[in-house]
Amino acid sequence: GQNIDQPTEMTATEGAIVQINCTYQTSGFNGLFWYQQHAGEAPTFLSYNVLDGLEEKGRFSSFLSRSKGYSYLLLKELQMKDSASYLCAVMDSNYQLIWGAGTKLIIKP
Amino acid sequence: GAVVSQHPSRVICKSGTSVKIECRSLDFQATTMFWYRQFPKQSLMLMATSNEGSKATYEQGVEKDKFLINHASLTLSTLTVTSAHPEDSSFYICSARDGRDQETQYFGPGTRLLVL
Repeated sequence: GQNIDQPTEMTATEGAIVQINCTYQTSGFNGLFWYQQHAGEAPTFLSYNVLDGLEEKGRFSSFLSRSKGYSYLLLKELQMKDSASYLCAVMDSNYQLIWGAGTKLIIKP
Repeated sequence: GAVVSQHPSRVICKSGTSVKIECRSLDFQATTMFWYRQFPKQSLMLMATSNEGSKATYEQGVEKDKFLINHASLTLSTLTVTSAHPEDSSFYICSARDGRDQETQYFGPGTRLLVL
């Protein structure tokens, strides 16, 4: 079956760096998405990786290794507003999205 | 974990026809379901929120007469795109919230609609 794994919850300190991992097993691969979702709001697009490597966008970076079925989202210089759920989703060979359960990130002062 | 399914996974239709998309929660009762539209490499745009047994709440700018939403049971919500036009072509995603856990949304795999 198809499966996406990411930690349920993580805690980090304001100003620090946190890495949220995502591993996947899917039938085919057409890219991996990271979304941020604040409580009560729609998910916000953060990144899309389809090739191996690191993509940096401001304080956020996303890494992909297709051979390992692995991605991570790296958040630097954490701010209190980064407290949210982070969703990993993979688009499979049928262009269907397989969603992880989300990682709730708690930022402490 | 909880599973949400959508049917069909993809549909191609002619302009002017109506298309119905189903969203089902497979192992939990979804008191609330959400319908989103995804644009390429962009955020999910919330279209409407539906609560079982009541009328859907539409976001500003979404035509309720064009995008009909019915949440007739605790496991099924449908989105009907009426008189579809090519600009309605998109990826539609539903999510469902378990009545026992108000914090977590479970997302469906999406339905790709192409209107010719």
